[in-house]
Amino acid sequence: EPEVTQTPSHQVTQMGQEVILRCVPISNHLYFYWYRQILGQKVEFLVSFYNNEISEKSEIFDDQFSVERPDGSNFTLKIRSTKLEDSAMYFCASNIGGSNQPQHFGDGTRLSIL
Amino acid sequence: AQSVTQPDIHITVSEGASLELRCNYSYGATPYLFWYVQSPGQGLQLLLKYFSGDTLVQGIKGFEAEFKRSQSSFNLRKPSVHWSDAAEYFCAVGEENFNKFYFGSGTKLNVKP
Repeated sequence: EPEVTQTPSHQVTQMGQEVILRCVPISNHLYFYWYRQILGQKVEFLVSFYNNEISEKSEIFDDQFSVERPDGSNFTLKIRSTKLEDSAMYFCASNIGGSNQPQHFGDGTRLSIL
Repeated sequence: AQSVTQPDIHITVSEGASLELRCNYSYGATPYLFWYVQSPGQGLQLLLKYFSGDTLVQGIKGFEAEFKRSQSSFNLRKPSVHWSDAAEYFCAVGEENFNKFYFGSGTKLNVKP
């Protein structure tokens, strides 16, 4: 069964540095998502992406965050200047169409900000 | 804004016992409802979903869930729990016409031998 893959599995970065988290969604999916899960807390929606533009975003997704689909397969989340509170698991997900379709999740990237 | 509540943070059941995990949502229209399971260090795996029609839906691994509009609930059930079911379970709501999902805070399930 096709999978969503995320790299790296663990990223350690100094505060203030830029970080790029990478995802390869399932190839025939059209909608892509990023979520954040701070340790011990709920999964929080960050952003959804469709047709090469942001579809929805949450209050968490401020100007420090950006997403991009640089080619036909990758979907990236960039955090421009990381803060300690950005430490979390970041999950990428994709689905074939919108909010009435189940999402397929990657295994996540653990981001640790020092 | 929509919200999802899972009132039980931790639940412990004995292997072979029945299980019910509660989920309540706040949403004006008919919601798209999902249950996901997360094992440690892994992503979320879909257990089952409800969009419309029969309010009792069957999922993988012997799980089922019932949509009750009058109670704004979508509780997850399993008649006989196995040790491998120990994990964290998340209820989620998809918002119609918006490409956005809301997750509950999760319920951690422990299974006693």
